[in-house]
Amino acid sequence: EAGVTQFPSHSVIEKGQTVTLRCDPISGHDNLYWYRRVMGKEIKFLLHFVKESKQDESGMPNNRFLAERTGGTYSTLKVQPAELEDSGVYFCASSQDFATWEETQYFGPGTRLLVL
Amino acid sequence: GNSVTQMEGPVTLSEEAFLTINCTYTATGYPSLFWYVQYPGEGLQLLLKATKADDKGSNKGFEATYRKETTSFHLEKGSVQVSDSAVYFCALTPNQAGTALIFGKGTTLSVSS
Repeated sequence: EAGVTQFPSHSVIEKGQTVTLRCDPISGHDNLYWYRRVMGKEIKFLLHFVKESKQDESGMPNNRFLAERTGGTYSTLKVQPAELEDSGVYFCASSQDFATWEETQYFGPGTRLLVL
Repeated sequence: GNSVTQMEGPVTLSEEAFLTINCTYTATGYPSLFWYVQYPGEGLQLLLKATKADDKGSNKGFEATYRKETTSFHLEKGSVQVSDSAVYFCALTPNQAGTALIFGKGTTLSVSS
């Protein structure tokens, strides 16, 4: 079974440009999470989808970030326009069952974003 | 609020040394506790977890015990290998369905032969 995949693995863009990150969760997983780790700091939650619906987007830093999950399958996270402080590693995770808080989250390899 | 504090790194050990990485947490209710590991060039992997007080999670020679009285979940391994070199993250989820993980800052472990 394929794990969580993310694309691209690295992205270098200039301030003011737009970048779109993609996450493909494990097949059949209803829960999809986005997290971000800024250099040297904690990995922080951005938002949580249950199928195609946003369950919790309290971690989204501002309205330059837009996440979608069309049809409840893959998800995209768009940053527009990108700022220097958006640099970091963006992780995606998925889990199967919304009914239990013990459900393990499986992480992708992350996308390393550098904004110059 | 909920938070996780883990010891600052980097931790540098020789092969076969004993490892402890301290982790303490603040949470309301009864959180689940996790250790995730990130090997160089790879994504986060679940290393072990514990879901209630006094539970011991274990995997690949690593262990951690959920201590509610000290709000701790320290990671230990009796004899580390070079292949254990990685970044280790302590994390929790509050006792709510579908809740996001709350992570510590991560501890970098470097093991030399």
